[in-house]
Amino acid sequence: GQNIDQPTEMTATEGAIVQINCTYQTSGFNGLFWYQQHAGEAPTFLSYNVLDGLEEKGRFSSFLSRSKGYSYLLLKELQMKDSASYLCAAMDSNYQLIWGAGTKLIIKP
Amino acid sequence: IAGITQAPTSQILAAGRRMTLRCTQDMRHNAMYWYRQDLGLGLRLIHYSNTAGTTGKGEVPDGYSVSRANTDDFPLTLASAVPSQTSVYFCASSDSAANSYNEQFFGPGTRLTVL
Repeated sequence: GQNIDQPTEMTATEGAIVQINCTYQTSGFNGLFWYQQHAGEAPTFLSYNVLDGLEEKGRFSSFLSRSKGYSYLLLKELQMKDSASYLCAAMDSNYQLIWGAGTKLIIKP
Repeated sequence: IAGITQAPTSQILAAGRRMTLRCTQDMRHNAMYWYRQDLGLGLRLIHYSNTAGTTGKGEVPDGYSVSRANTDDFPLTLASAVPSQTSVYFCASSDSAANSYNEQFFGPGTRLTVL
């Protein structure tokens, strides 16, 4: 079967760094996406990885290891506005996204 | 219109009633999707359309139907609503379905309660 696992909730301090992990099992693989979703709002795209390695985009970075079926999202210099859910999604061989349940990130001052 | 819109924003519906959720995009995207989002679960694909005139079933299609008469509109219909269809429904679109870099853009969602 197809499955995405990520922690349900994480807490971090403003100004710190946090890493949100995601493991995936899909029928085929066409890339790994991270989305941000603030409470009551729609998901918005953060990053895409299809090759192994780290992709950096400002304060956010995303890493992929295809051999391990593993990705993480790294958030640096945390701000209160980063409080949100972070959704991991893997694209299968049919180009459909398989979504994790999301990690709720709580930022404390 | 800028991006992707959904209507209504929220709705309370009696069980057994028919309901259509509307979705319109102005980005000329070929692919469109309907998801439902429930607490503790990931987004689940209900139906999708790779291009105007075609539709396909997702992970949880039972009780729902869609049509794609043109590029812009992708309505989702609940023929006879049941309480288990209480959820937040998101419509999304992407430039191309068969493309690994396939960023999906989401509408604001419709919060549906079936009593």
